[in-house]
Amino acid sequence: QVQLQESGPGLVKPSETLSLTCAVSGYSISIGYYWGWIRQPPGKGLEWIGSIYHSGSTYYNPSLKSRVTVSVDTSKNQFSLKLSSVTAADTAVYYCARQRGGFGEFSYWGQGTLVTVSS
Amino acid sequence: EIVLTQSPGTLSLSPGERATLSCRASQSVSSSCLAWYQQKPGQAPRLLIYGASSRATGIPDRFSGSGSETDFTLTISRLEPEDFAVYYCQQYGSSPFTFGGGTKVEIK
Repeated sequence: QVQLQESGPGLVKPSETLSLTCAVSGYSISIGYYWGWIRQPPGKGLEWIGSIYHSGSTYYNPSLKSRVTVSVDTSKNQFSLKLSSVTAADTAVYYCARQRGGFGEFSYWGQGTLVTVSS
Repeated sequence: EIVLTQSPGTLSLSPGERATLSCRASQSVSSSCLAWYQQKPGQAPRLLIYGASSRATGIPDRFSGSGSETDFTLTISRLEPEDFAVYYCQQYGSSPFTFGGGTKVEIK
């Protein structure tokens, strides 16, 4: 059974960089699939942030592209998200998920981690 | 960017009733690349339907999806107590992938 688990600081100061990692178990990232990040501000809807293939190929939501970096570490079977210059608007639950293909649905999700941006 | 509009915002129904949720796209969704997710409080979304009408693994057959191009529907034939939740549609036919605003199915 594929499992994903997000980890990282729950509190980030404004203007700093948010960094999260998603550890994958039950499946080797290096085999295939795309791996993505989605966020959900408290009480609001879902927003796709970006996705990555095991080769390192990435694509991002244009609304966040200038601030986002998604990377993969196949040796640790994990992938990561960095979001720079954060503001209060970036406060959200951040989910990692497995995506079926470059253009595919998100079939497995992590439990999510709340990141609050505040001084 | 494709904007997805879900209606109604809230659906108040009783267990055993039929639920019909709508998702309308601002432009045609490529190859019916439309998914539905269920989300309960404090939980991650769970994939129900992909490809507009294919049920994900382990999803009961009371859940069905239909539609194409710009109009899609999720139907729950007979609501079970565990079905009361928020439902989101998502298009993945073109980047950026986008989600609808959600429909909350609540107990009447």
